Amino acid sequence: DADVTQTPRNRITKTGKRIMLECSQTKGHDRMYWYRQDPGLGLRLIYYSFDVKDINKGEISDGYSVSRQAQAKFSLSLESAIPNQTALYFCATSDLGQGVGNEQFFGPGTRLTVL
Amino acid sequence: GQNIDQPTEMTATEGAIVQINCTYQTSGFNGLFWYQQHAGEAPTFLSYNVLDGLEEKGRFSSFLSRSKGYSYLLLKELQMKDSASYLCAAPQTGANNLFFGTGTRLTVIP
Repeated sequence: DADVTQTPRNRITKTGKRIMLECSQTKGHDRMYWYRQDPGLGLRLIYYSFDVKDINKGEISDGYSVSRQAQAKFSLSLESAIPNQTALYFCATSDLGQGVGNEQFFGPGTRLTVL
Repeated sequence: GQNIDQPTEMTATEGAIVQINCTYQTSGFNGLFWYQQHAGEAPTFLSYNVLDGLEEKGRFSSFLSRSKGYSYLLLKELQMKDSASYLCAAPQTGANNLFFGTGTRLTVIP
């Protein structure tokens, strides 16, 4: 079984709709992240959380919100989706106390299309 | 500020050696990562360098020069499955997040 899972894997929605992307992990990591990836722009950080009570904005948080429901769950919401939020979204986890440096483990990604 | 530069695309022949370069600017330094990402898939960890020098791991090696703000990933005995994007990343200054370069898309040809 995958250590980091994302649902849905693919989603097509319309402008103005509210969308929630969910991420779950069984690695026992405290730190969780949401990124989006666009061609030519690489991975950009949207939000991150270092524990259940800690939420931080990343580089491109406008238009997004997050919820850390439990250590294992971190969801990303688009309150009112717009076409330029069409992208591949990745959830990631890390645990600074283990592994090397700040190695992050990524989920399989969610491909979101906003029409 | 923080910046990472790497070539956008490279092409190499099966069985050959390829070197993918990465230059970075950070106000502090806490290591440099390389990730591999096949098209449409999740990035996966390849290497982490925090000290100067070359670290070898099978067909893949990673080099770091902190004084020059420079790293490279060396892939030997290229295989077709090595066709992927290679992402250079550094921890963000004062935080534990990773700042990613835009990636180098490597195409291995027969």
